[in-house]
Amino acid sequence: NAGVTQTPKFQVLKTGQSMTLQCAQDMNHEYMSWYRQDPGMGLRLIHYSVGAGITDQGEVPNGYNVSRSTTEDFPLRLLSAAPSQTSVYFCASSGPGLGGETQYFGPGTRLLVL
Amino acid sequence: LAKTTQPISMDSYEGQEVNITCSHNNIATNDYITWYQQFPSQGPRFIIQGYKTKVTNEVASLFIPADRKSSTLSLPRVSLSDTAVYYCLVGPWGSSNTGKLIFGQGTTLQVKP
Repeated sequence: NAGVTQTPKFQVLKTGQSMTLQCAQDMNHEYMSWYRQDPGMGLRLIHYSVGAGITDQGEVPNGYNVSRSTTEDFPLRLLSAAPSQTSVYFCASSGPGLGGETQYFGPGTRLLVL
Repeated sequence: LAKTTQPISMDSYEGQEVNITCSHNNIATNDYITWYQQFPSQGPRFIIQGYKTKVTNEVASLFIPADRKSSTLSLPRVSLSDTAVYYCLVGPWGSSNTGKLIFGQGTTLQVKP
């Protein structure tokens, strides 16, 4: 049981480039989310999904797209990277466990946009 | 969603008990209180969740008074490895499933030798 996995771990992009951050979970959770965390700050929600084929916007969705074709995968696409998108990106899936309703987070993707 | 207020930072020494209090004056009847821990360069990790009174697990205890307007995370006998950021979150059951939980800045706990 790998939990939540994210690839790549690190990425450097030039302004204007596009890329996809991958996220996968093997816990059969219906609910998945993407957050970004800037230095010294808390997490901010980008997009989330309540099941395959269903996505919705969070607090800071501009510049990002998501899709959910399967329960396991929830990729995040940067359409045209900007320096303001330099951040650490965390994917999470949610479900019951550990004595409560729990979000399980991946290890993060560190993105630098030049 | 209930707004939470917690100290920005706290210092402690190894072996001491640490109590981090979170205020949530506008908590709703169906809201739960959840605490997460985040180490540098890692994603947050669930610690404990409760609704009222006291909850204890192998890692921490959570104390919630009768009016539920605050909660206290208690870490017994901390070690250097407990140095981390601790987040208090409040929301109804199912809110993490809809991404509606809001992470604030959290409390940075520094444990000293």
